[in-house]
Amino acid sequence: QVQLVQSGAEVKKPGSSVKVSCKASGGTFSSYAISWVRQAPGQGLEWMGRIIPILGIANYAQKFQGRVTITADKSTSTAYMELSSLRSEDTAVYYCARGLAAAAAFDYWGQGTLVTVSS
Amino acid sequence: QSALTQPPSASGSPGQSVTISCTGTSSDVGGYNYVSWYQQHPGKAPKLMIYEVSKRPSGVPDRFSGSKSGNTASLTVSGLQAEDEADYYCSSYAGSNSVFGTGTKVTVL
Repeated sequence: QVQLVQSGAEVKKPGSSVKVSCKASGGTFSSYAISWVRQAPGQGLEWMGRIIPILGIANYAQKFQGRVTITADKSTSTAYMELSSLRSEDTAVYYCARGLAAAAAFDYWGQGTLVTVSS
Repeated sequence: QSALTQPPSASGSPGQSVTISCTGTSSDVGGYNYVSWYQQHPGKAPKLMIYEVSKRPSGVPDRFSGSKSGNTASLTVSGLQAEDEADYYCSSYAGSNSVFGTGTKVTVL
């Protein structure tokens, strides 16, 4: 059974960075895609980017280009999402989600990590 | 990449059907058969309900069905049950990216 377990809630100051982790168990981590999706309070889902660990290549939504970095450590089956230059509008629950391929649907999701940006 | 367009709300009585639309462009919904649908209850992570336009993952009731015509995909929930009350989001592959819909709140009257 595939499980994605994310790191805990974070409180950050505006202008700082946050790094959220997503540890996978079950399945073959390297061969599938991990996407990051965020949801601001009371808002919809927003795709941020994805990585395919076996390729080491990440794609990002244009909105987040230059501010987000998605990486993966195959040795620990863990994906990371780092978002910089944080502002209050980045307050959201951040989810990691697995897809069997870049185009595939997101069949397993992490439990979500609340990131609060506040001075 | 703009969000796919969904109606904000939909409703139906128990046992009835409700259909949710998801409108994109030829660069996403219309260009690929990689449309998926997610159900999200308050405070929970989304759950995959439909993938590749019309396929159901194991464990999803056959009351849920999907289709696509041109740049618009649709999710139909037949025989509505109380537990179907939730937010629903479509998603589409769009080349190197993915995009979600604006979301639809389904209310069971």
